[in-house]
Amino acid sequence: EDKVVQSPLSLVVHEGDTVTLNCSYEVTNFRSLLWYKQEKKAPTFLFMLTSSGIEKKSGRLSSILDKKELFSILNITATQTGDSAIYLCAVDTNSGYALNFGKGTSLLVTP
Amino acid sequence: DAGVTQSPTHLIKTRGQQVTLRCSPKSGHDTVSWYQQALGQGPQFIFQYYEEEERQRGNFPDRFSGHQFPNYSSELNVNALLLGDSALYLCASSRLDEKLFFGSGTQLSVL
Repeated sequence: EDKVVQSPLSLVVHEGDTVTLNCSYEVTNFRSLLWYKQEKKAPTFLFMLTSSGIEKKSGRLSSILDKKELFSILNITATQTGDSAIYLCAVDTNSGYALNFGKGTSLLVTP
Repeated sequence: DAGVTQSPTHLIKTRGQQVTLRCSPKSGHDTVSWYQQALGQGPQFIFQYYEEEERQRGNFPDRFSGHQFPNYSSELNVNALLLGDSALYLCASSRLDEKLFFGSGTQLSVL
């Protein structure tokens, strides 16, 4: 059975801290790994990773994939209160984006 | 340009009833996927519709059914509701085999 495991499940940091969120996976047919940010209700797309070792970056957020060790990390530097959200990791295992999600990491950034 | 819109935003039903949730995809998108997100869990894939046909299905019972209309909008129907069906139901649209854009969901409570 395909598995996507995120850690930690929750995290509280102070503004300005750097955080690293982890996502490991065991799937039979890997196609891509995606990160989403969920504030309130609608998950919003952050990154899609398909190749090992290539860092994707957007402002203070970055992510990288290790296909040999079957994990990905999402880094957020100089955190702000607006980064407070649930961060979801998902793996696409076949065509069509029937995504297999982890439980998410709930991040709270305090002032 | 409107994104993915879902209706209603909240719904309360009792056990045994039937419910229909609706989704209008983002302009230009032809594929609609439905996910169920229970409290504290990641979204779970229910099914995906393309060209008015169910293209892929996750591990959900036949009580869960759907439909896609010629204008690409979609409905999710759940029959014989159980308490465990209480969840946030997310619709996501895309062009075929491209990344998903999520709506804000319908919060279903079954009493």
